[in-house]
Amino acid sequence: DSGVTQTPKHLITATGQRVTLRCSPRSGDLSVYWYQQSLDQGLQFLIQYYNGEERAKGNILERFSAQQFPDLHSELNLSSLELGDSALYFCASSGLGQRNTEAFFGQGTRLTVV
Amino acid sequence: AQSVTQLDSHVSVSEGTPVLLRCNYSSSYSPSLFWYVQHPNKGLQLLLKYTSAATLVKGINGFEAEFKKSETSFHLTKPSAHMSDAAEYFCVVTHGQNFVFGPGTRLSVLP
Repeated sequence: DSGVTQTPKHLITATGQRVTLRCSPRSGDLSVYWYQQSLDQGLQFLIQYYNGEERAKGNILERFSAQQFPDLHSELNLSSLELGDSALYFCASSGLGQRNTEAFFGQGTRLTVV
Repeated sequence: AQSVTQLDSHVSVSEGTPVLLRCNYSSSYSPSLFWYVQHPNKGLQLLLKYTSAATLVKGINGFEAEFKKSETSFHLTKPSAHMSDAAEYFCVVTHGQNFVFGPGTRLSVLP
């Protein structure tokens, strides 16, 4: 158990809909990362938050947004969903500020858009 | 900018034989390097990490990796493969405050 919790584990929704994925980082970790893993694109970095503020942005679509709350949990919002958004979405956390620290990954949320 | 190349998208070995998964990186800084493993329908688990201490790093499940700065490599090895090692393996380099993933190597272990 990595200590990172993601909910829900599975999500099936229709095109055009909006969903919210939730992530609780390991206790004490200030940094949260979101990744998308699909068969054709591999593991793609979406966005990083550190202590409530956006720190880095990757290949995140404008239809997607995220935030990190004061209790450090994070949510990834996906809107106007398309079939191509079907993927495994991972959250990871790390104790940024401690050099060379690794990232701990949750089990992922599998999103299926039909 | 940091980047990671995993030279083989798929490696197949027989059970009991050695495993070699190759990784090359580019980094403007003294890098931190990691290997993660992902079993089917599971999250990513840290195997080992290099943090500028010993160049030969030992990880879990008998895996180890050697950091070679002159070759910008961080290859993952295991002396004897087990069926349970079949999984996807990712080499990762830190880039500032982000983790840059390689494309992954799928390891198959044949009985």
